Amino acid sequence: DAKTTQPTSMDCAEGRAANLPCNHSTISGNEYVYWYRQIHSQGPQYIIHGLKNNETNEMASLIITEDRKSSTLILPHATLRDTAVYYCIVLPTDKLIFGTGTRLQVFP
Amino acid sequence: NAGVTQTPKFQVLKTGQSMTLQCAQDMNHEYMSWYRQDPGMGLRLIHYSVGAGITDQGEVPNGYNVSRSTTEDFPLRLLSAAPSQTSVYFCASSYNLGVGNYNEQFFGPGTRLTVL
Repeated sequence: DAKTTQPTSMDCAEGRAANLPCNHSTISGNEYVYWYRQIHSQGPQYIIHGLKNNETNEMASLIITEDRKSSTLILPHATLRDTAVYYCIVLPTDKLIFGTGTRLQVFP
Repeated sequence: NAGVTQTPKFQVLKTGQSMTLQCAQDMNHEYMSWYRQDPGMGLRLIHYSVGAGITDQGEVPNGYNVSRSTTEDFPLRLLSAAPSQTSVYFCASSYNLGVGNYNEQFFGPGTRLTVL
């Protein structure tokens, strides 16, 4: 299974774009990149996923490099409510394995 | 839809006691799983099930049993609780996990377990 590497923590000013990187250099051709986040002590929440094309939904954008070895989750206008731990996960596998994620702190 | 429900929300056990954490979903999801999250740590997969009658081990299965007799329910049993099992337990479900399949895992609110 492909592993992911994320920075431990990041800060972002409210209203600015938050760019969260993820390295997945051992990703295979049929493996998707998924992003989840966990706000405080709640259960994780799905954000977005992609294979090789850039993806956008109402929550975020996902930019995957051409070689697929890394990706960036973009929250275009971060708010205080986006403060959370963000997890980058590579599938497919029959198990959803969370790493330690990136703790994003959005400040006023 | 109620989504994924977990009971109880909080539980305190003494070492050696047994109990069952309940998890139910009303979305007809095939895939269900249990995670534990220790303070300040990420989630670790305990057990999972790809359908009724089928279960498998995750990263940290020792000390836990599961069964999946129906699509809706996926209980987690602690046979003899230990202080090391003090954690927050999350149940999750999705349509499936597999090659190319879109899947969004829905998580329950968690059960906060303390073992004294």
